[in-house]
Amino acid sequence: GAGVSQSPSNKVTEKGKDVELRCDPISGHTALYWYRQSLGQGLEFLIYFQGNSAPDKSGLPSDRFSAERTGGSVSTLTIQRTQQEDSAVYLCASSHLWGSNQPQHFGDGTRLSIL
Amino acid sequence: AQRVTQPEKLLSVFKGAPVELKCNYSYSGSPELFWYVQYSRQRLQLLLRHISRESIKGFTADLNKGETSFHLKKPFAQEEDSAMYYCALSGTSYGKLTFGQGTILTVHP
Repeated sequence: GAGVSQSPSNKVTEKGKDVELRCDPISGHTALYWYRQSLGQGLEFLIYFQGNSAPDKSGLPSDRFSAERTGGSVSTLTIQRTQQEDSAVYLCASSHLWGSNQPQHFGDGTRLSIL
Repeated sequence: AQRVTQPEKLLSVFKGAPVELKCNYSYSGSPELFWYVQYSRQRLQLLLRHISRESIKGFTADLNKGETSFHLKKPFAQEEDSAMYYCALSGTSYGKLTFGQGTILTVHP
């Protein structure tokens, strides 16, 4: 595809349910990042993938959050036993190479609402 | 710890006026700094990065290490510049970004 693709674009679920968010990075991009954009908190880093491994998971807010990446491509962010404070827009970004000065390309995000 | 501060949540100017969006950072090393922009109903996209020293859509930003600032400037604002602007810092070797809170710029006709 032409850009980073995320699905679903919107997700409404009940508190306590599990959710899976998907990210398809730009083909050939080795680095993949998840961020969260919530009211009052701005944009926060969650996790970084280099290939299939995640050397930095420091932004995951609790052990209810996990992520994986397979085949060096698609990534899934899973939130178990969702809470209302998990409501946010979850953004995925990828870059061709990992590096401090590499531009990141963002998807449209998944808007998650927990009832 | 790294931190990015954008002191203005909202900024309004008239078309043709100069505009400056402020960004200050806190980081002990040599950071890489970026401006990202989100136009209405579009995704977040890179506007410019300090390493490139380029002007994009008439915008420039200079890294001032003494004042730990990376302000975004444009001499003559246009209505199409209206958007949310984020300043971001990368202090790691792998590009993890720390964002400011963002500034909503509105350019009035």
